[in-house]
Amino acid sequence: DADVTQTPRNRITKTGKRIMLECSQTKGHDRMYWYRQDPGLGLRLIYYSFDVKDINKGEISDGYSVSRQAQAKFSLSLESAIPNQTALYFCATSDHPGELFFGEGSRLTVL
Amino acid sequence: AQSVTQLDSQVPVFEEAPVELRCNYSSSVSVYLFWYVQYPNQGLQLLLKYLSGSTLVKGINGFEAEFNKSQTSFHLRKPSVHISDTAEYFCAVPEGGNTPLVFGKGTRLSVIA
Repeated sequence: DADVTQTPRNRITKTGKRIMLECSQTKGHDRMYWYRQDPGLGLRLIYYSFDVKDINKGEISDGYSVSRQAQAKFSLSLESAIPNQTALYFCATSDHPGELFFGEGSRLTVL
Repeated sequence: AQSVTQLDSQVPVFEEAPVELRCNYSSSVSVYLFWYVQYPNQGLQLLLKYLSGSTLVKGINGFEAEFNKSQTSFHLRKPSVHISDTAEYFCAVPEGGNTPLVFGKGTRLSVIA
């Protein structure tokens, strides 16, 4: 089994729908992250959490929210999806700065 | 805050030729530096990292990178590439102190047979 598991791997939805992307990890790391990848823009940080009680906004948090349900679980929500949120989303974990371990990504298409 | 510039968005190279992928970061203070690789339809994985010590860092799959503090660069090199090296490569640095990584926009390496 993968160390960092993302579900769903692919999702197509319509504008205005609520979407949740889930991430779970077996690395035992305290730190978890959500990044978004767009062609030509690299990865941009949406939210991050250094422990269960810590949630921080990243560079592009508008339109997104997160929940850290446990050390191993970190979910990303789009309350009302819009087409420019179409992207590849990555969850990652680490036990100190750098050295991120990534999931395989969740491809979201908003029509 | 740190920022990362990858100078080439695409690099085509013939198989068995050498390659250099360029990365510059914004600050000359002590930094940690990373290169990640993303193979098609996969997540990112760590290729190599510089934390301290020797400025020449060796990574997986024959890649190496050299930390140059005076030029604020961390270029990635491989003396002879293989078709399987076709992927996107990302340079990354912590934004500042105990913070998450900031990534460059990526360089797409295409190895041509």
